[in-house]
Amino acid sequence: AQKITQTQPGMFVQEKEAVTLDCTYDTSDQSYGLFWYKQPSSGEMIFHIYQGSYDEQNATEGRYSLNFQKARKSANLVISASQLGDSAMYFCAMNNNNDMRFGAGTRLTVKP
Amino acid sequence: NAGVTQTPKFQVLKTGQSMTLQCAQDMNHEYMSWYRQDPGMGLRLIHYSVGAGITDQGEVPNGYNVSRSTTEDFPLRLLSAAPSQTSVYFCASSYGPANYGYTFGSGTRLTVV
Repeated sequence: AQKITQTQPGMFVQEKEAVTLDCTYDTSDQSYGLFWYKQPSSGEMIFHIYQGSYDEQNATEGRYSLNFQKARKSANLVISASQLGDSAMYFCAMNNNNDMRFGAGTRLTVKP
Repeated sequence: NAGVTQTPKFQVLKTGQSMTLQCAQDMNHEYMSWYRQDPGMGLRLIHYSVGAGITDQGEVPNGYNVSRSTTEDFPLRLLSAAPSQTSVYFCASSYGPANYGYTFGSGTRLTVV
C-alpha cells in the first residue's frame, strides 16, 4: 500500500524567510499525483499545489513550490517569503487509482 | 455556490447508537470521499465513490457504510457507534481522482461516549 511520510511534526520560521516542509512517499506505481493541503486553525482543508508524476517541471503557485525528486520519492513544499498567515498544519498527499492518502502533517509556525 | 456541505457540524452519540453524516456537493463532481482525522495521524480514507452507484472501501472502512444514489449526495452511516469512532470527519469531492485537488467540507466533529 502507498505510504506518505512527513518527518517534521513542527517547524518554525521567521517571517519573510523561506521554509521547506519535507514529504516522502512510497509507491510501486508510475502514475500518481502529489498534493499539498493547508489546514489553518479554523479546521478547513485547503488544496494548495499539485504535481503529477510525469510532470518534468516543479509545480509552483505564487510563493509555494513543490520540489519534486522522483528518484528519491520526495515532494517537499517550499514556501518563500513566509507570512504570518502561512501558520497552519500542512499535509502532503498522494493520489493513485482513486486512493488519496495523507501524511501525518507538519505544523508550521511563522514568527514575527 | 455552496461547494461541499456537511451536516451536522457537531454530534455526540452514545455507544451503540447509529447515525448518518450527510454530505452534499453542487459542483457536479463525480468523485467523492470520506476521511476521518485523528490527532497525529493525518487523514485516513474511509470510503470513496467514483460516481453514482459506485462505492469502494478505503483504508479504514470497518464500522461505516456508504451509498451513492445521486451525484450530489454521499452519506456516511455509522452502524453502531464506538468510542474509537470519536474523530473529525471530512467529506471531499473532485472532478476526478487523478490530478484534481479535492474540495473539502467544513467537517463534522463526532464524539462517542
